[in-house]
Amino acid sequence: RKEVEQDPGPFNVPEGATVAFNCTYSNSASQSFFWYRQDCRKEPKLLMSVYSSGNEDGRFTAQLNRASQYISLLIRDSKLSDSATYLCVVSDSGGYQKVTFGTGTKLQVIP
Amino acid sequence: DTGVSQDPRHKITKRGQNVTFRCDPISEHNRLYWYRQTLGQGPEFLTYFQNEAQLEKSRLLSDRFSAERPKGSFSTLEIQRTEQGDSAMYLCASSPRDTYEQYFGPGTRLTVT
Repeated sequence: RKEVEQDPGPFNVPEGATVAFNCTYSNSASQSFFWYRQDCRKEPKLLMSVYSSGNEDGRFTAQLNRASQYISLLIRDSKLSDSATYLCVVSDSGGYQKVTFGTGTKLQVIP
Repeated sequence: DTGVSQDPRHKITKRGQNVTFRCDPISEHNRLYWYRQTLGQGPEFLTYFQNEAQLEKSRLLSDRFSAERPKGSFSTLEIQRTEQGDSAMYLCASSPRDTYEQYFGPGTRLTVT
């Protein structure tokens, strides 16, 4: 089983739609969780951290479910500019940070 | 621009040559990471520094790869005797003391011919 798994997509959604991605992780001791966005041939950019209580930033909501070992990202009112690959990131604790990226979920918002 | 910078942005080299890449992190960040990314994949962790100490190195990293961060500021990644399979984007990221959020540089795209 991969340490971090994501559905590669692509998810093709119309503008204005709501879309959700999940990401599962295998290490129950994982401590920190993030969503990054990566545009084609660009570097990843931090979208949001994922806290145990969940967090929201505008149209974006991230949730963590430790019991089932997954995190989710919900995008409401999709914009054309949301088209990108969304990377799930999980890191361990323990004095140093082993960081594992998922392979990413590709989102294409269509007019 | 106070973000992470990487140099060069592109490198084309012949198989068997050595290459060295440089990363300048955000100045107050004490953690620095190197990743490799190929098309359709997420970034693969290569190595991690906290200040000048290299604390973790992926087993994916063969002995042809070495990284340094001599004064806890900039870092270099060297690949010796390059192979075609080394062709990839090499990304550097840094992270401040009080969070594990990482900020990436634009990457160095390596092509081995």
